[in-house]
Amino acid sequence: KAGVTQTPRYLIKTRGQQVTLSCSPISGHRSVSWYQQTPGQGLQFLFEYFSETQRNKGNFPGRFSGRQFSNSRSEMNVSTLELGDSALYLCASSLGQGVGGYTFGSGTRLTVV
Amino acid sequence: EDQVTQSPEALRLQEGESSSLNCSYTVSGLRGLFWYRQDPGKGPEFLFTLYSAGEEKEKERLKATLTKKESFLHITAPKPEDSATYLCAVHGVTQGGSEKLVFGKGMKLTVNP
Repeated sequence: KAGVTQTPRYLIKTRGQQVTLSCSPISGHRSVSWYQQTPGQGLQFLFEYFSETQRNKGNFPGRFSGRQFSNSRSEMNVSTLELGDSALYLCASSLGQGVGGYTFGSGTRLTVV
Repeated sequence: EDQVTQSPEALRLQEGESSSLNCSYTVSGLRGLFWYRQDPGKGPEFLFTLYSAGEEKEKERLKATLTKKESFLHITAPKPEDSATYLCAVHGVTQGGSEKLVFGKGMKLTVNP
């Protein structure tokens, strides 16, 4: 079966711009969570959605937001980009908040210049 | 505060030289402990889930064990293709009652031929 698909794979943006990242979960998975990965901080939790509702949120500023659609696909938006937002953004899906484990996509590499 | 600590941060082994990676954690309401493998430029790849103290899981040259406060990933007779970053993550319930996945910063394993 198809895995978790994240688009785009690479992105270069300028400071102050905004960006939208997309994640398509494994078919049948209703939970999608997002993580930011940087060399210094490792994987940090951004938020988790289940059935179009945000169930949990990490300690990130309000510039980071997300949503989930009825088909479980999710988008993450970052507004007013800062240089420190450069990172690998990973999406993971599960049947429901970890049931059966989390499967990760390959990530979107965002570079802010 | 929920914490996951992995040690060592990096490990170099010769092919065939067995070793163990440690993951210690403090979390309320442990729902499960996950081990992932991550190759450069890719998303984490699921290895194991452990749910209760005393549980063990095996896959090829890898064996994961769990106690009440830590987990070990034992690597027996490693090969160069086992070189990767190994991530430990704990799925728990926060003080606020919501669920989250907390990652350690990872352990970079290099296996020399």
